[in-house]
Amino acid sequence: AQTVTQSQPEMSVQEAETVTLSCTYDTSESDYYLFWYKQPPSRQMILVIRQEAYKQQNATENRFSVNFQKAAKSFSLKISDSQLGDAAMYFCAYRRGQGGSEKLVFGKGTKLTVNP
Amino acid sequence: GAGVSQSPSNKVTEKGKDVELRCDPISGHTALYWYRQSLGQGLEFLIYFQGNSAPDKSGLPSDRFSAERTGGSVSTLTIQRTQQEDSAVYLCASSLRQGRHNEQFFGPGTRLTVL
Repeated sequence: AQTVTQSQPEMSVQEAETVTLSCTYDTSESDYYLFWYKQPPSRQMILVIRQEAYKQQNATENRFSVNFQKAAKSFSLKISDSQLGDAAMYFCAYRRGQGGSEKLVFGKGTKLTVNP
Repeated sequence: GAGVSQSPSNKVTEKGKDVELRCDPISGHTALYWYRQSLGQGLEFLIYFQGNSAPDKSGLPSDRFSAERTGGSVSTLTIQRTQQEDSAVYLCASSLRQGRHNEQFFGPGTRLTVL
């Protein structure tokens, strides 16, 4: 079974600084997707960024980028120029590429605090 | 257009009572998922619907949990004889179709508290 591990229960960053959230995963499959979701206090899960395993290039979405190390099964999220609105729980998630239910497997999350 | 909606937003019940949680997916989304988020935990998968059928129920924790989907749209998650360990946020997600680019859109969840 696939597992996702987030080793940092909590992180903090100063406004305008950069922070990196860690995620490792375990799978025997070759075709899969990795995601970072943001969950603010409203509980609404928001997709931040997605990475296809077959793509070597790291995904980037504005201030958010990932460092995808396939061989090491590592998938970290870098947030640049942190803003107060970035404060939230961040979840790393895995999904197989195709077939089956395509359910998401989540890590336990990292609580990010942004200090003014 | 409207996103995924869930009702109620919060539910407090007594141990032993049955509860029903509702999910309205995005119109046209054929796939629907239920997840549970316990305090301090990540989300755990409960059940997946494709249309009205549930080909993957592997995450349901016990036979007290059941779910149905009617008309390929609204889904109801039912928990019978609730226990305190059932207290959690129950999240629903829907996606347009099964396939390579299958983004799941989440609802705001129902917070269930079992006293």
